[in-house]
Amino acid sequence: GESVGLHLPTLSVQEGDNSIINCAYSNSASDYFIWYKQESGKGPQFIIDIRSNMDKRQGQRVTVLLNKTVKHLSLQIAATQPGDSAVYFCAERNPGGSQGNLIFGKGTKLSVKP
Amino acid sequence: DGGITQSPKYLFRKEGQNVTLSCEQNLNHDAMYWYRQDPGQGLRLIYYSQIVNDFQKGDIAEGYSVSREKKESFPLTVTSAQKNPTAFYLCASSIERRRNQPQHFGDGTRLSIL
Repeated sequence: GESVGLHLPTLSVQEGDNSIINCAYSNSASDYFIWYKQESGKGPQFIIDIRSNMDKRQGQRVTVLLNKTVKHLSLQIAATQPGDSAVYFCAERNPGGSQGNLIFGKGTKLSVKP
Repeated sequence: DGGITQSPKYLFRKEGQNVTLSCEQNLNHDAMYWYRQDPGQGLRLIYYSQIVNDFQKGDIAEGYSVSREKKESFPLTVTSAQKNPTAFYLCASSIERRRNQPQHFGDGTRLSIL
């Protein structure tokens, strides 16, 4: 199967608990951030995004928090379910660097115990 | 249903052979991208295209080539010059490259060496 999860930080949670996945981004000039979910053998799936003029954004069962002071992004998943098991990674866009392209983190593997 | 289709899902390359990975989107997006994913690493950008008949090198373009003759299609050729082609290749698209909009991904092609 897909080996994208090898050698990644792992977060193990009990079904029904809340999960918090963290991401430290690299550039203080980055103005846009995205969280993706990647299941084994599949492409990344968009979860939620946030612009730098916001501190918090909520979706269905997910919340993204942005702390620009310490360049930190987090994804909170409420009432975690077995179907949430996947690799989660963040992406940032620095309009002045990397040709304005997205820069992707390495990811965190979320494992949900039933 | 709108989306991005990558084919084939699995591909094997012989020594000295060029192989082409297909990517088609029906989202009417202007921008398209090719990424390479290796275990435990973030996505790395190979090539991107902002519009038909235009494409630019990303961070790891050596050994790869692309074309963008149609808006919906962005094939990637892995040439014999790419000495370490074994990886998971992901195609993505977005409305425009520099707008703060998410990239949407296909389900990838896994390339291996015979």
